[in-house]
Amino acid sequence: DIQMTQSPSSLSASVGDRVTITCRASQSISRYLNWYQQKPGKAPQFLIHAASNLQSGVPPRFSVSGSGTDFTLTISSLQIEDFATYYCQQSYTTPRTFGQGTKLEIK
Amino acid sequence: QVQLQQWGAGLLKPSETLSLTCSVSGESFSDYYWSWIRQPPGKGLEWIGDISHGGRGYFNPSLRSRVTISVDTSKNQLSLKLRSVTAADTAVYFCARLFRLGVITQFDSWGPGILVTVS
Repeated sequence: DIQMTQSPSSLSASVGDRVTITCRASQSISRYLNWYQQKPGKAPQFLIHAASNLQSGVPPRFSVSGSGTDFTLTISSLQIEDFATYYCQQSYTTPRTFGQGTKLEIK
Repeated sequence: QVQLQQWGAGLLKPSETLSLTCSVSGESFSDYYWSWIRQPPGKGLEWIGDISHGGRGYFNPSLRSRVTISVDTSKNQLSLKLRSVTAADTAVYFCARLFRLGVITQFDSWGPGILVTVS
């Protein structure tokens, strides 16, 4: 199985901050990586794919980069609604695997 | 806009069979694969498996021996059965649509989740 490791596990930041979350795969996954956002008590929501294009409705302050084994999700200017847990997920092969999550909290 | 609704028993005893159903509306059921994903309380996400409308499935090897995923295309529903549950199977179970564009896949719509407790 491909192991996905996110860092940090948690992050405190303020509205307006720029934050970066890192996701590392245990082997190359090209650019087959998805990011999801989950708020407490809710289902995850698909956010963005590493190879593209924002999901319709996702604000442009979210951006992704990376390929191979190392990827980042950047939020350029945090808004209150961005405080949530973020998961990466490799879509390169089955079993489909997720990172352990990064909890983004208000400082 | 696709909508997914889930139902099933929320409290099980060890060794029983977990049984959940997910109903899909608003989009063509037959155009997509459908998936089950679970999340133990306070923990991360674990993929259980995918199934096509034709019944072709892919499963997590860690659960394969205990899992059955099936579809009822006449009702636009998918079902999950997990046999011989233990406390380690306590989790919120989500159904999700697996969007596929060539080799790119993503879980782009999710059900609300249902907490299943084994105790």
